[in-house]
Amino acid sequence: EDQVTQSPEALRLQEGESSSLNCSYTVSGLRGLFWYRQDPGKGPEFLFTLYSAGEEKEKERLKATLTKKESFLHITAPKPEDSATYLCAVRASGSRLTFGEGTQLTVNP
Amino acid sequence: DTEVTQTPKHLVMGMTNKKSLKCEQHMGHRAMYWYKQKAKKPPELMFVYSYEKLSINESVPSRFSPECPNSSLLNLHLHALQPEDSALYLCASSQDGGIGNQPQHFGDGTRLSIL
Repeated sequence: EDQVTQSPEALRLQEGESSSLNCSYTVSGLRGLFWYRQDPGKGPEFLFTLYSAGEEKEKERLKATLTKKESFLHITAPKPEDSATYLCAVRASGSRLTFGEGTQLTVNP
Repeated sequence: DTEVTQTPKHLVMGMTNKKSLKCEQHMGHRAMYWYKQKAKKPPELMFVYSYEKLSINESVPSRFSPECPNSSLLNLHLHALQPEDSALYLCASSQDGGIGNQPQHFGDGTRLSIL
């Protein structure tokens, strides 16, 4: 059975204080690992897809990396508008995404 | 703004009412999905339509009835819901017909409250 574990559950940062979110996964035959951002009362917003170990993707202050067992979402010099819940999901065979429980990020000014 | 549009944004209904949720996408995606999300939990898959055919039903109670009239539209018909069905209902779509490795793109959901 596919499993995704995200840590920490919640993270408070000061503006400009860089950090990383972790997504550990167990899946048979990874077809893609996806990062989403979700704001309260909104649907998940797609950020990145990673397909193979060693792959990296960047967007503004966010950088996602992938190994054979985990993915990291690095946040460099975060701003208050980066506050959100960040969801990690994996896809093996078929249509199903297996989501982690998410990391709730708060960035204080 | 998301490219998957859901209506209505909010819905309050009694347990004996019948209502429908609607979802529309014009990205040419060939798979569409319904998810249910409770507070502080990740989305849970309910249904998948691949090339307009129902391909996955995650043992969802029959009081939820999905419909895919065409490749751009997805409906969720609701009847005789229970208070525990109150949640955010999310629609998503993906380019790959549900059988590849493309990301799913989500709408902003319908906040459903059952009285």
